[in-house]
Amino acid sequence: GAGVSQTPSNKVTEKGKYVELRCDPISGHTALYWYRQSLGQGPEFLIYFQGTGAADDSGLPNDRFFAVRPEGSVSTLKIQRTERGDSAVYLCASSLTTRHTDTQYFGPGTRLTVL
Amino acid sequence: GQNIDQPTEMTATEGAIVQINCTYQTSGFNGLFWYQQHAGEAPTFLSYNVLDGLEEKGRFSSFLSRSKGYSYLLLKELQMKDSASYLCAVSPPGTYKYIFGTGTRLKVLA
Repeated sequence: GAGVSQTPSNKVTEKGKYVELRCDPISGHTALYWYRQSLGQGPEFLIYFQGTGAADDSGLPNDRFFAVRPEGSVSTLKIQRTERGDSAVYLCASSLTTRHTDTQYFGPGTRLTVL
Repeated sequence: GQNIDQPTEMTATEGAIVQINCTYQTSGFNGLFWYQQHAGEAPTFLSYNVLDGLEEKGRFSSFLSRSKGYSYLLLKELQMKDSASYLCAVSPPGTYKYIFGTGTRLKVLA
């Protein structure tokens, strides 16, 4: 079956611009997670959704970052007034539920470059 | 908070066995996970440990000691395609997010 998909695969933007990154989870998965990964580092948690609601947004670095999941499926990560430090690979993952035994399956990521 | 430590790089020879260690400091957790990540690709799930002991899955095994805050991933009969980063992650209590280590970059040489 189809895995987690993310679009775009690459995004280049200028400092100060607004960007949206999209994640399509595996069909039927109720939990969705956003992470970001800088070069040579492990993924860093940003936010996760259970259904439509953000259950934990403690990893969002500041109020320029926002994410939505209005219908409990597709999610969009929104970054306002981008800064060069936002450059990273943004990974999305989904799991069937939020039980700890449910594996998180990752998408291929969106590579964001802020010039 | 959580602190997860893994070696940065390891090198091994095709056909050999390699052990990648992970130590963590946390007041408790709901599970420890190992993921494989090839360069430029998504992390893919390898194993999950919640109880002490060894979990075996083909060429890959993962061990956990909760009292020691220690885990290792054992890769047997190494193949060139095993060259990748191996990420150790814990799921802290009261949450469902993963906290990842920086990953261990494994190079398998012919």
